[in-house]
Amino acid sequence: DAGITQSPRHKVTETGTPVTLRCHQTENHRYMYWYRQDPGHGLRLIHYSYGVKDTDKGEVSDGYSVSRSKTEDFLLTLESATSSQTSVYFCAISERAGNTIYFGEGSWLTVV
Amino acid sequence: SQQGEEDPQALSIQEGENATMNCSYKTSINNLQWYRQNSGRGLVHLILIRSNEREKHSGRLRVTLDTSKKSSSLLITASRAADTASYFCATASNFGNEKLTFGTGTRLTIIP
Repeated sequence: DAGITQSPRHKVTETGTPVTLRCHQTENHRYMYWYRQDPGHGLRLIHYSYGVKDTDKGEVSDGYSVSRSKTEDFLLTLESATSSQTSVYFCAISERAGNTIYFGEGSWLTVV
Repeated sequence: SQQGEEDPQALSIQEGENATMNCSYKTSINNLQWYRQNSGRGLVHLILIRSNEREKHSGRLRVTLDTSKKSSSLLITASRAADTASYFCATASNFGNEKLTFGTGTRLTIIP
């Protein structure tokens, strides 16, 4: 298994609170991604990073921000959580653009 | 919007039978990939087929790609109970292929 650790794995939070999800990799891969998975929508890309301090938006980036200060860490922040952000969040990594990506085990977030 | 759309959404077959899933996409691609997801887990890469390839095999998996029809199929032969999972296609476009776009998946159930 690729060395990807997501934390926390499960979280319940209240509407309006900030939430940060962390992804840590030990593979030294250049690309890191945050996806969310919802029934009927499959996986949708939130943000991705192509290097330290280099990030770009995906298709559902509103309400989310990311940071990558080190190769191994990619943080996803919900500045003010809403119920529509209740989802399963997956971190993924890739050595090269468009190539195989490796997924973490997911973080289940519930916003009440 | 989703680039890949899998068909059918759900499929149930008897153990030992073959399972076929299809994926259609909309824009030119660099490659197409198939992933499997067991319930409650992250996605696992199965196979990658490049736009200049028409067929690829990996164990009991056979993938075909028809770029003129913008479609791909995944065949699992001699299915086993352990093949029960959701299967997703993902495409890397020719433009900005650092982002993989996933379909909504096919839920495969193998009946023992």
